[in-house]
Amino acid sequence: SQQGEEDPQALSIQEGENATMNCSYKTSINNLQWYRQNSGRGLVHLILIRSNEREKHSGRLRVTLDTSKKSSSLLITASRAADTASYFCATERSGANSKLTFGKGITLSVRP
Amino acid sequence: EAGVTQSPTHLIKTRGQQATLRCSPISGHTSVYWYQQALGLGLQFLLWYDEGEERNRGNFPPRFSGRQFPNYSSELNVNALELEDSALYLCASSLDTGGETQYFGPGTRLLVL
Repeated sequence: SQQGEEDPQALSIQEGENATMNCSYKTSINNLQWYRQNSGRGLVHLILIRSNEREKHSGRLRVTLDTSKKSSSLLITASRAADTASYFCATERSGANSKLTFGKGITLSVRP
Repeated sequence: EAGVTQSPTHLIKTRGQQATLRCSPISGHTSVYWYQQALGLGLQFLLWYDEGEERNRGNFPPRFSGRQFPNYSSELNVNALELEDSALYLCASSLDTGGETQYFGPGTRLLVL
């Protein structure tokens, strides 16, 4: 079964609005990463948050991590049409020797 | 600096044939990872190579194999191809082991007829 499960599966918003995507996981982790994928191409790393961190920012991205609830959220503020993509969370389990486990992804559509 | 490169971009094979996919990591990266992304199944971890050795393997049959060369490039071989092997195969590299960011290539789209 998937370690990381994103929620919702699909999200459609208007340009300028904020997009919030959630990820839940099942086991202890070393870190959690968010990736973006455009149209079945390679994944682009967005942000990494370690298990001892609670919040991280990068430009218009804000990631939170709640290890007690085994969940993370990715917030994209002031969304743009170019943010339209699939977003994946990936977890590196504790002791998993660099193996990342990906969720099935969230499809984000930003309407101009 | 060049990113992760993969070849070929597309590959069409028939059932029972063998496929070889290639990956060149970012210069200086020693770890290479392979993932399969089939429709509706998300990314599934296949293999991890570091310093020429297989470090970890996903839940795939033995007909999925690979190797890493002394220059850290890697090959993924899929023998006895089946229709359900049709997928996007992604390669990623990282600077080191232990929780580092993985940088992905554009992928090889394999179609098995």
